[in-house]
Amino acid sequence: GDSVTQMEGPVTLSEEAFLTINCTYTATGYPSLFWYVQYPGEGLQLLLKATKADDKGSNKGFEATYRKETTSFHLEKGSVQVSDSAVYFCALSPYNFNKFYFGSGTKLNVKP
Amino acid sequence: DTGVSQNPRHKITKRGQNVTFRCDPISEHNRLYWYRQTLGQGPEFLTYFQNEAQLEKSRLLSDRFSAERPKGSFSTLEIQRTEQGDSAMYLCASSLVSPGQATNTEAFFGQGTRLTVV
Repeated sequence: GDSVTQMEGPVTLSEEAFLTINCTYTATGYPSLFWYVQYPGEGLQLLLKATKADDKGSNKGFEATYRKETTSFHLEKGSVQVSDSAVYFCALSPYNFNKFYFGSGTKLNVKP
Repeated sequence: DTGVSQNPRHKITKRGQNVTFRCDPISEHNRLYWYRQTLGQGPEFLTYFQNEAQLEKSRLLSDRFSAERPKGSFSTLEIQRTEQGDSAMYLCASSLVSPGQATNTEAFFGQGTRLTVV
């Protein structure tokens, strides 16, 4: 069945460090891929998305590229800030199905 | 419209009691989803509605769980005879899917209802 695997956390970085959070997926067909972020005490917010192979989603300095050949959608940011501290979830939605499968989440701690 | 609203935000109940949660989606959204999230895990799909029709239920949704979406607007999720294993965050999300739409749309999530069964 469809599933998402993402790197376990927590990930602890210093401010201005480079961030990568790995995400790989298993799916039939051509899913859409998403990164959601959950700040403490808040709900899930869409961070970025990509709907087809080689698409790059970007928002707030974060980027992820839909790689069909490696079934990956790794999240990157060149310079993290303390305010980026949150839990990040990779998710997929099967083509024409619109149900979301989430990874287990990666907690990011950014220290000043 | 300020987004997906869920009530209550927190609920503590004794084992064996029934509880009901409410979700008010973004007003023009025709799809509504319920998810469950336990500590340290990602959200797990429970069920979804297209307007008032419940189109799919996960195997996670035991007979003690029932969801409704009368008139295709707000939705309720009821858990009967609660068990300690039901303790979790229950998330509601909504999205707008146009007829014949071939690509996925994003889902907007509420802040969730945290259930604690004691």
